[in-house]
Amino acid sequence: GAGVSQSPRYKVTKRGQDVALRCDPISGHVSLYWYRQALGQGPEFLTYFNYEAQQDKSGLPNDRFSAERPEGSISTLTIQRTEQRDSAMYRCASSSGTGAGGYTFGSGTRLTVV
Amino acid sequence: GIQVEQSPPDLILQEGANSTLRCNFSDSVNNLQWFHQNPWGQLINLFYIPSGTKQNGRLSATTVATERYSLLYISSSQTTDSGVYFCAVGSNYQLIWGAGTKLIIKP
Repeated sequence: GAGVSQSPRYKVTKRGQDVALRCDPISGHVSLYWYRQALGQGPEFLTYFNYEAQQDKSGLPNDRFSAERPEGSISTLTIQRTEQRDSAMYRCASSSGTGAGGYTFGSGTRLTVV
Repeated sequence: GIQVEQSPPDLILQEGANSTLRCNFSDSVNNLQWFHQNPWGQLINLFYIPSGTKQNGRLSATTVATERYSLLYISSSQTTDSGVYFCAVGSNYQLIWGAGTKLIIKP
């Protein structure tokens, strides 16, 4: 597509439920990144994909967080057994270079765990 | 890990003024980007500039990699320039973000 598309835009979920956040990158972009942004702060790295390969998941906070990009295009970030501390803006970005080049961010998914 | 410092933290200007935002980083990097987060929360990439100078309309940026700093220049500010400007740096794909400069342009 023309830009990076994330869905849903907003998600309110009860503590303990699982959520799946979707990212559709710019067509042809080989690199895909997930970041998390708390209010008033810069984004924090979560994970990086080069095509379908998850090259780095060192930023995932714990094993309740996982991500996949099975066909090298759309990616899903899954949070299991959500907790209130997981509430944040989750942002996806893509770039044409392999781990390089300017990022294009999506509009993000605002997750609220109640 | 790499430390990123942005200055000033806050800046209030009248429409039409010029400004310079600075980003210092503690180690050599091969990825440096400037972003604008507008009041609606969108993150817009302004420049991918690990070294050298680039210009795009009223905005320009310079990175002096050997001295570990980058500058973002905004000329003839407009109210739509308001928001937070972030510098993000890294050795490859994992960007470390500064705390941002919050810019308010008054009409």
